[in-house]
Amino acid sequence: GAVVSQHPSWVICKSGTSVKIECRSLDFQATTMFWYRQFPKQSLMLMATSNEGSKATYEQGVEKDKFLINHASLTLSTLTVTSAHPEDSSFYICSARGGGTGGTENTIYFGEGSWLTVV
Amino acid sequence: AQTVTQSQPEMSVQEAETVTLSCTYDTSENNYYLFWYKQPPSRQMILVIRQEAYKQQNATENRFSVNFQKAAKSFSLKISDSQLGDTAMYFCAWIGGTSYGKLTFGQGTILTVHP
Repeated sequence: GAVVSQHPSWVICKSGTSVKIECRSLDFQATTMFWYRQFPKQSLMLMATSNEGSKATYEQGVEKDKFLINHASLTLSTLTVTSAHPEDSSFYICSARGGGTGGTENTIYFGEGSWLTVV
Repeated sequence: AQTVTQSQPEMSVQEAETVTLSCTYDTSENNYYLFWYKQPPSRQMILVIRQEAYKQQNATENRFSVNFQKAAKSFSLKISDSQLGDTAMYFCAWIGGTSYGKLTFGQGTILTVHP
């Protein structure tokens, strides 16, 4: 089945530095990927929609200059947290819509998620 | 706007028993899909079951089944013969036919299975 891989699983960075998280679709092409943020015991909050070859669409209240999204190929989207601060510490998870036919085209596949800790 | 509501923040069940998690949604679209995702402590999002709105038959996956009531906009998940490994947070989610993968999630229900 379709697999989405996210890397790194865990990252610790110093306050003021930037960190990049990758999301890859391993066996299908994903023209659209999604980035979520999740706080403990809460639901997933959509941050932005990543579109291959064009600018990302950000949800209201999400700082586009802080959370840079690049979707340069059909299998890779990256989220860069710029000038990270402790309040950016969270669990970030990406997803992609399955392509092709046979029922997978309307199933959403998630990456494993990335824990970011800013110290 | 589409909304998904899970009114049970926490549920508990004894091992081997049956539990039902509730979900309601609101949409004006006619073509959509509904999902239940499981998120164990590892935080991996695992697809439990999926239902196409145009199908009247309720989806079933082994011990997991849904009760899909389209007119009532209700989509509950029944877990039979509960196992300790079912302990997780469960999310109900909706996607429209034209949403291109943008899921709308419910608030989640934390399910604990007791031995």
